[in-house]
Parts: sequence; structure tokens; C-alpha cells
Amino acid sequence: DSGVTQTPKHLITATGQRVTLRCSPRSGDLSVYWYQQSLDQGLQFLIQYYNGEERAKGNILERFSAQQFPDLHSELNLSSLELGDSALYFCASSAMTRAGTDTQYFGPGTRLTVL
Amino acid sequence: DQQVKQNSPSLSVQEGRISILNCDYTNSMFDYFLWYKKYPAEGPTFLISISSIKDKNEDGRFTVFLNKCAKHLSLHIVPSQPGDSAVYFCAARRSSNTGKLIFGQGTTLQVKP
Repeated sequence: DSGVTQTPKHLITATGQRVTLRCSPRSGDLSVYWYQQSLDQGLQFLIQYYNGEERAKGNILERFSAQQFPDLHSELNLSSLELGDSALYFCASSAMTRAGTDTQYFGPGTRLTVL
Repeated sequence: DQQVKQNSPSLSVQEGRISILNCDYTNSMFDYFLWYKKYPAEGPTFLISISSIKDKNEDGRFTVFLNKCAKHLSLHIVPSQPGDSAVYFCAARRSSNTGKLIFGQGTTLQVKP
């Protein structure tokens, strides 16, 4: 158990819909990362938040957005869903010290299926 | 543009033998490398890492080697155990204040009893 929790574990929805994925980081971790893993692919970085502020952005679609709340949990919002958005979405957290070499600990992921 | 590549989708070894997983990268700005292990229905689990100022890092049965000239790293598992059967991801990062990781596509390791 990494200490990172994600809900829901599975999500099935239809095209055009909007969903929200939730992540609670490990206790004390200030940084949250979101990654997408499509079928047979590696993990693709989407976005990072540090202590409530957006820190880095990857190839995140405009239909996707995220935020980190004062209690440090984060939500990833996916809207106008398309079939190609079906994937595993992972959240990771790290302490994120100045050295920037902190290990990222991953949650179990949310499997999104768009029908 | 795949900056981190794991060219072998799968690897099968006998229990007790050495497993060698390989990873190549193209971005010379990467200075920190990690290996993660992933079981089905679970998130990736951190295994071992190496800074670009080193060429080897060892942790128990796991050793990571880094060849900066060749932009290549490898993970050695000795001896391999059936419980090591999983997908292994190589990841790389530039030193910065973001910590963003670039992952390879993964290699599925099967260790046969």
C-alpha cells in the first residue's frame, strides 16, 4: 500500500459525458501528479500540482482539467469524453523537496471506460 | 517523440537466473532515472533509482547500471524469483522543480519456476 488513494476504482460512462477522478496523496506529500496509461502504452504525464498551485503541464487535452484543494487532495476532471479517453488514470504524490529527486508513489489507478 | 524506450516488450527467464531489462533514452538533459514495477490492477511501485553522477546503484537483488555515453540503462535482477513477474517501467527526469517523469512503454517479465 503506497498510501495514495484513488476513487473510484472503475468508471464506465458514455461519450460526451463528464467525470471526476479523485486522489488523496500520502500524508505530508505536497505534490500530486496525474498520469494516463492507454492500452499497451507507458504512462503519459498529464499535470502536476504543488501545494495547491499548478507546477507543470504535459500533453493534457483542453477537455481535461485538474485542481488541488487546501487539504491537498486533487481531482482530475474529464469532459466531453471520447472513446479514446478510455485508459487507466494514475495519481502519484511526492514530498517534492528542493532537490526534486523525491520518489513518486502511485495510487492504484482509476480505470475509465468510455462506451 | 518517444524520449524513453524499452525495446523489449517481454522477457522470460528461469527462476534463479539473472533478468536483464534494458532502457534507452534520447534526451541528454535527463539526470535521474527510476525503475518501477507494476502488477495487474495495481499502481506502479518504485523499485530503484540512479542519478546521472553514478554509473551503478545496488539494492539487494536489484542493480541499475547507467551508461551515459550510450544513453542506456539496465536493471539486473539476481536471482530472479517467480514473484518478480510483473511489468517493469523505466522512467527519466530532468532536475527541476517539477519532478515530471517520462516513462518507457514497459517490459513484461515472466520468471518461470
